[in-house]
Amino acid sequence: DAKTTQPPSMDCAEGRAANLPCNHSTISGNEYVYWYRQIHSQGPQYIIHGLKNNETNEMASLIITEDRKSSTLILPHATLRDTAVYYCIVRPWDSNYQLIWGAGTKLIIKP
Amino acid sequence: DGGITQSPKYLFRKEGQNVTLSCEQNLNHDAMYWYRQDPGQGLRLIYYSQIVNDFQKGDIAEGYSVSREKKESFPLTVTSAQKNPTAFYLCASSRDRDTGELFFGEGSRLTVL
Repeated sequence: DAKTTQPPSMDCAEGRAANLPCNHSTISGNEYVYWYRQIHSQGPQYIIHGLKNNETNEMASLIITEDRKSSTLILPHATLRDTAVYYCIVRPWDSNYQLIWGAGTKLIIKP
Repeated sequence: DGGITQSPKYLFRKEGQNVTLSCEQNLNHDAMYWYRQDPGQGLRLIYYSQIVNDFQKGDIAEGYSVSREKKESFPLTVTSAQKNPTAFYLCASSRDRDTGELFFGEGSRLTVL
C-alpha cells in the first residue's frame, strides 16, 4: 500500500499558485519524498524530490514540514497545461525499494 | 533527443494470443521497469531490471515475461496466462538502481478483444 495520503482532486485558477498537499505521517528517516505528475494518457513525469530541506527547481517547489510528516508541492503560476494527476511517493534511497504509486491528486486548472 | 520509446502505442489482440511490447532507451540508463496502469489507479510494478541480463519480479509479474539482453532494450511479453491483460503499460528507466527519478515512455495501450 502507498505510504502517502493525497486529496483525490483539486481545482486551481490559471495564473495562481497551485498547492498540492501530501500526508506521509509514517515516513522514516531515510525516506525521500518524490513528486511525479501524469498528464492524461501519457507517461508520468518526474517533478522534484527532497529529504528534509525545501527544494526548488524550474518546475516546482517542495516544502517539507519540520517533522517531515507532510509536504506541499507548489506550482507557482499554474497554466492549463499543468492539469494532470500528481503523485506523492516516499522511498528510501536504496535499490531494494521500488516506488509505490497511490491514486494521486487530480489537479484541474481552470481558465 | 534522448528518451524512452515504446511501441506500439495501441495494440489489439485476441484472447489466447501472446503479445510483446517494445521498450528502447538511449539514455544509457542501467535500470529499466515495466508498470501496468488500470483506469483511475496508480502504477503497479510488473518487472524491473537493474542491470543487463538480470531482472526481478515486481508485484504483479504473473502472466508476464521479460528479457534484458541489451542495456537499451527491455521488452515485455504479455502471455495468454495473464487473466486480465487489457491495460495501459508503461516502461521507464533510471540512471541506476538507487535513484527514484524515473524517466517514462509514452505508454502502450493493450486491448484484448
